[in-house]
Amino acid sequence: GAVVSQHPSWVICKSGTSVKIECRSLDFQATTMFWYRQFPKQSLMLMATSNEGSKATYEQGVEKDKFLINHASLTLSTLTVTSAHPEDSSFYICSATRGRLVPYNEQFFGPGTRLTVL
Amino acid sequence: AQTVTQSQPEMSVQEAETVTLSCTYDTSESDYYLFWYKQPPSRQMILVIRQEAYKQQNATENRFSVNFQKAAKSFSLKISDSQLGDAAMYFCAYRSAMGGDGGATNKLIFGTGTLLAVQP
Repeated sequence: GAVVSQHPSWVICKSGTSVKIECRSLDFQATTMFWYRQFPKQSLMLMATSNEGSKATYEQGVEKDKFLINHASLTLSTLTVTSAHPEDSSFYICSATRGRLVPYNEQFFGPGTRLTVL
Repeated sequence: AQTVTQSQPEMSVQEAETVTLSCTYDTSESDYYLFWYKQPPSRQMILVIRQEAYKQQNATENRFSVNFQKAAKSFSLKISDSQLGDAAMYFCAYRSAMGGDGGATNKLIFGTGTLLAVQP
């Protein structure tokens, strides 16, 4: 149980285009989802926290107009990178939590999406 | 603000031996969780072990155990009987337990990671 999927697993796009990444909780309802960015050989950096039905909370320094996050249902959150540029190339990881209904409120991680912008 | 520090960028261990990964953190909170995550080459984050700050007993999960020193704000991970499959990046993480939801919506704060190599 507690499986999180991401789609696509990798994507290559041209500079200036927009890319949407989906994060789904397959067997549980995710009250909160998190989006992280990870550069090669570096740690995970939180980009934003999203709660179902409300606006995402972005971390300082993250451009909310560039990284659009939508958490429309309890099982789906999307991250759209708008007008992507080569510096947006990175590994994007989502995680989801079931909230306080279960012990420890563990975050379950998706397998990540590798974005390459040409 | 809370911070997590991992001072060992890389570590190496012989198969079947024991290795300890270090982690220190800084916080003014009294209620929090600490975690060790493993990230193998597949990049999938895997929870290795967790520790609740209010518990004095160190957490253990099979070959993995922690040495939690709350006063010293230290949280090291010991891997016993190391196996080739243990080779990965290991991240220490902190999460506040504050808030009405028991910390469910609180973010994880990660350290910079330790790359563990296991030599056959």
